[in-house]
Amino acid sequence: AQSVAQPEDQVNVAEGNPLTVKCTYSVSGNPYLFWYVQYPNRGLQFLLKYITGDNLVKGSYGFEAEFNKSQTSFHLKKPSALVSDSALYFCAVRVNTGGGNKLTFGTGTQLKVEL
Amino acid sequence: DADVTQTPRNRITKTGKRIMLECSQTKGHDRMYWYRQDPGLGLRLIYYSFDVKDINKGEISDGYSVSRQAQAKFSLSLESAIPNQTALYFCATSDRITGSGQPQHFGDGTRLSIL
Repeated sequence: AQSVAQPEDQVNVAEGNPLTVKCTYSVSGNPYLFWYVQYPNRGLQFLLKYITGDNLVKGSYGFEAEFNKSQTSFHLKKPSALVSDSALYFCAVRVNTGGGNKLTFGTGTQLKVEL
Repeated sequence: DADVTQTPRNRITKTGKRIMLECSQTKGHDRMYWYRQDPGLGLRLIYYSFDVKDINKGEISDGYSVSRQAQAKFSLSLESAIPNQTALYFCATSDRITGSGQPQHFGDGTRLSIL
């Protein structure tokens, strides 16, 4: 079965410091991987995705993610965190449904950026 | 995403009542999804529809039903609500034509409380 794991329920970072939110996956075949962000009282917003190609993927709001096939990981990163980055972050993997686009989500990581 | 509208945004009701949550989209997407979000569990797929005549169960469809009234409308029903269906519900859409690596676009959710 395909799955994704986010091992940290919460990550705390000081503003200006680099941040990493971890994600590992388990899929059969080549993975399609996604990161989403959720702000309070809002739906999920797409940040970035990995389909193929360069292992370092750049996305919205200065975020990037590194795909590592040998470690089956897709960690979200940002060189310098902002207080406004505080939110709930979800990693997701596309499940092969014969041409569909069904996603399996991780349990989410709460990012708290403090002054 | 303002192009995916969910109504109502909040609902409090009693055990045994029938409830319908509605979703409409102006993105022109073929594919629509219903998820529920519970703290610590992430998002879990309830039902999905790849076009008007295609309805599929997700991982937690028991106790729920759906109707795809048109390409733009996808409603979720709880025939006889129970307290453990208290959750945050999200509708999402995705585009078929541009391939299965496309992200899903989410509404702002319906917070449902069942007493």
